[in-house]
Amino acid sequence: GAGVSQSPSNKVTEKGKDVELRCDPISGHTALYWYRQSLGQGLEFLIYFQGNSAPDKSGLPSDRFSAERTGGSVSTLTIQRTQQEDSAVYLCASSLVTGGWDSPLHFGNGTRLTVT
Amino acid sequence: QQPVQSPQAVILREGEDAVINCSSSKALYSVHWYRQKHGEAPVFLMILLKGGEQKGHDKISASFNEKKQQSSLYLTASQLSYSGTYFCGTEGDTTSGTYKYIFGTGTRLKVLA
Repeated sequence: GAGVSQSPSNKVTEKGKDVELRCDPISGHTALYWYRQSLGQGLEFLIYFQGNSAPDKSGLPSDRFSAERTGGSVSTLTIQRTQQEDSAVYLCASSLVTGGWDSPLHFGNGTRLTVT
Repeated sequence: QQPVQSPQAVILREGEDAVINCSSSKALYSVHWYRQKHGEAPVFLMILLKGGEQKGHDKISASFNEKKQQSSLYLTASQLSYSGTYFCGTEGDTTSGTYKYIFGTGTRLKVLA
């Protein structure tokens, strides 16, 4: 596609329910990132994929959070037993990593998650 | 480990200049700069690589001093469209051989007519 696509754009869920957030990166981009942004706050790193593997999961807040990437393309971030503090905008970004640090990140428009 | 940006917020009149700083506690290979408008996704502005280079993009330029582990973003003759939150981005732990990116604390910039 032309850009990074995320779905759904908005998700309202009840506390305790599971949610899945989807990210479709730019075709050919090998690196994929998930970030969380609470209202008025910065970009909190969650997890990073290189191809289908996740070399760095250090930012996942708890074991209720998991993510996978298949076919070197689409990624799904799953939050189990959602809590109110999970409410935030979840941003996905992809980049064409060429072995250096010269690849910009391209962001999707995010999924706004509200846990009631 | 998160880079620290200063100032946290700045208000300008159209035509005024501003400088946003990004400081890291560790050595850097690169610095990225992004702007995020309210309710939108961050948008890439520029990358600076190790070597102390300076880059420009219209009336926005940046410098990178890897010895000081700092980068600065310069906005000259600011326009209303410059309003937003600016983030610097840097690589995470380079010893792991991965390409994780982390972002600075952010600087809110508002340009008034």
